Amino acid sequence: DAGVIQSPRHEVTEMGQEVTLRCKPISGHNSLFWYRQTMMRGLELLIYFNNNVPIDDSGMPEDRFSAKMPNASFSTLKIQPSEPRDSAVYFCASSLGRISGGAHIQYFGAGTRLSVL
Amino acid sequence: SQQGEEDPQALSIQEGENATMNCSYKTSINNLQWYRQNSGRGLVHLILIRSNEREKHSGRLRVTLDTSKKSSSLLITASRAADTASYFCATDARNTDKLIFGTGTRLQVFP
Repeated sequence: DAGVIQSPRHEVTEMGQEVTLRCKPISGHNSLFWYRQTMMRGLELLIYFNNNVPIDDSGMPEDRFSAKMPNASFSTLKIQPSEPRDSAVYFCASSLGRISGGAHIQYFGAGTRLSVL
Repeated sequence: SQQGEEDPQALSIQEGENATMNCSYKTSINNLQWYRQNSGRGLVHLILIRSNEREKHSGRLRVTLDTSKKSSSLLITASRAADTASYFCATDARNTDKLIFGTGTRLQVFP
């Protein structure tokens, strides 16, 4: 398996523009997580899905952020409009989840480094 | 915050020495995991220890868990330059698939 695949790896955009980050989880995994990592705040969970349904979005910073999972093999995280303070590395992770008896081991993608100028 | 804390924040050692990192958490857990993050990469799972276990080994890694003190330690023996990375502990949150990650320890191993 290729692991969790994220695209793009790097994104540079101007303030006010829309940004879409993409994630393909490991086949067969039924939980998907979006994280943001910065030096100041560390690793923050933004939202997670189970069986394509958003379960907990309490970490989404504000309405400018939205996430979707239209099917088991694809998810997007959108920021509209983007601001300089959104600059961070965004990670997607997937796991088998509790339903499958898994012990919540998460497999991370390589991340998207976002710079908002 | 539910986030766990790790100690020390940063650690520098010479190759061949042992590295010990500590993690404290706040709530009851089913299991605790350790992850490694190389610079510019995603986190990688290293080892999992269940709440009814006290110690676990995997190669050069040794993890201990003390649920009465809500703490865990990760020992890397005979460290190598390739062990240079950040190390995070993570605990499960009851009745969810979420993991609560600690703040991380940055380990630098000098050749």
